[in-house]
Amino acid sequence: DIVMTQSPDSLAVSLGERATINCKSSQSLLYSSNNKNYVAWYQQKPGQPPNLLIYWASTRASGVPDRFSGSGSETDFTLTISSLQAEDVAVYYCQQYYNTPPTFGQGTKLEIK
Amino acid sequence: QVQLQESGPGLVKPSETLSLTCTVSGGSVSSGDYHWSWIRQPPGKGLEWFGFVYYSGSANYNPSLKSRVTISLDTSKNQFSLKLSSVTAADTAVYYCATRVLSGWFGSWGQGTLVTVSS
Repeated sequence: DIVMTQSPDSLAVSLGERATINCKSSQSLLYSSNNKNYVAWYQQKPGQPPNLLIYWASTRASGVPDRFSGSGSETDFTLTISSLQAEDVAVYYCQQYYNTPPTFGQGTKLEIK
Repeated sequence: QVQLQESGPGLVKPSETLSLTCTVSGGSVSSGDYHWSWIRQPPGKGLEWFGFVYYSGSANYNPSLKSRVTISLDTSKNQFSLKLSSVTAADTAVYYCATRVLSGWFGSWGQGTLVTVSS
């Protein structure tokens, strides 16, 4: 199975500041035939299911605010929140869909400083 | 947008079979648009994919759970279901049903249902 490792495990950022979450995969997630990275990002608020934020490593899902962005390629990926809002407090997960089984990172807990 | 709702017992005894159903609205399990999936999350922990069933009835399972898992469709009720046999306390988790687009990400999720394995 492909192992997804997120860093840090938790993060405290001031309102209006930038938050950056990293995700490293145990093998390349770049499919050469279409030049796409098979990575998604999710936000999970307490008591709620995960909510899709980003797919193809950098494409925002419908309705996701543009302060959320994804970047990276091959084995190293980043989720950035450009200006943290109070409603962004949550746990964030990366997921690879390059191989079966799809696997998730362990999660990064984002809090307000 | 497809909406999903899990249902089933919240308490299962060790060694028994856990059975959950996901009712789909706003879409059809008979369509080829999605892989109808199950994912679980132990309390305070991360996400684990069980497997999916396709509109044809064919299924694909996580190898780590394959010997204990069955996912199937009921097209007449627009539902799909999960059966996990020989459960232990380690199977205590919130169980989610979700749609997986054919490319691979999970676009819609049910609210989840907590299943506790205890005697």
